[in-house]
Amino acid sequence: GAGVSQTPSNKVTEKGKYVELRCDPISGHTALYWYRQSLGQGPEFLIYFQGTGAADDSGLPNDRFFAVRPEGSVSTLKIQRTERGDSAVYLCASSFKGERTQYFGPGTRLLVL
Amino acid sequence: GNSVTQMEGPVTLSEEAFLTINCTYTATGYPSLFWYVQYPGEGLQLLLKATKADDKGSNKGFEATYRKETTSFHLEKGSVQVSDSAVYFCALSEAAGNKLTFGGGTRVLVKP
Repeated sequence: GAGVSQTPSNKVTEKGKYVELRCDPISGHTALYWYRQSLGQGPEFLIYFQGTGAADDSGLPNDRFFAVRPEGSVSTLKIQRTERGDSAVYLCASSFKGERTQYFGPGTRLLVL
Repeated sequence: GNSVTQMEGPVTLSEEAFLTINCTYTATGYPSLFWYVQYPGEGLQLLLKATKADDKGSNKGFEATYRKETTSFHLEKGSVQVSDSAVYFCALSEAAGNKLTFGGGTRVLVKP
């Protein structure tokens, strides 16, 4: 079956611009996660959705970062006033409710010039 | 808070050699433990997992045993292949719906 998909696969933007990153989870997965992976490091948690609501957003680094999941399926991670330090691979994962195993998408590589 | 520590790489091996990647963790509860693998140019893939003490996870010739007494989950493979060249991440989750906490990753390079 189809796995987690993320678009775009690559995004280049200029400092100060706004970007949106999209995640389409595995069908039937109610839990959705966003992570950020900097070069040479492990992924770091950003936010977790159960259904439409953000159950845990403790990993968002500041108020320039925001994520939504209005219909409980597709999610969009939004970054305002991008900074060069936001350059990273943004990973999305999903899981069934009540399960700990998360399945990852291929990621969006964001480069802020 | 939770943390995962794994051996730094890169680890360079010859084909058919034995591979061990050490992973230790700190957690307040009873976590599930995971190994994920990232092949060149690809996304994170679940390699194996264990949900309770003394469980052994296995897949593709890789094994790891959940050792609560030493808070460890070391990854092993008896005979590596060139195709095993990748970055390996150890991770934990304390509950369903809980974030994964990852180690820093270990790059493995297998030479023919």
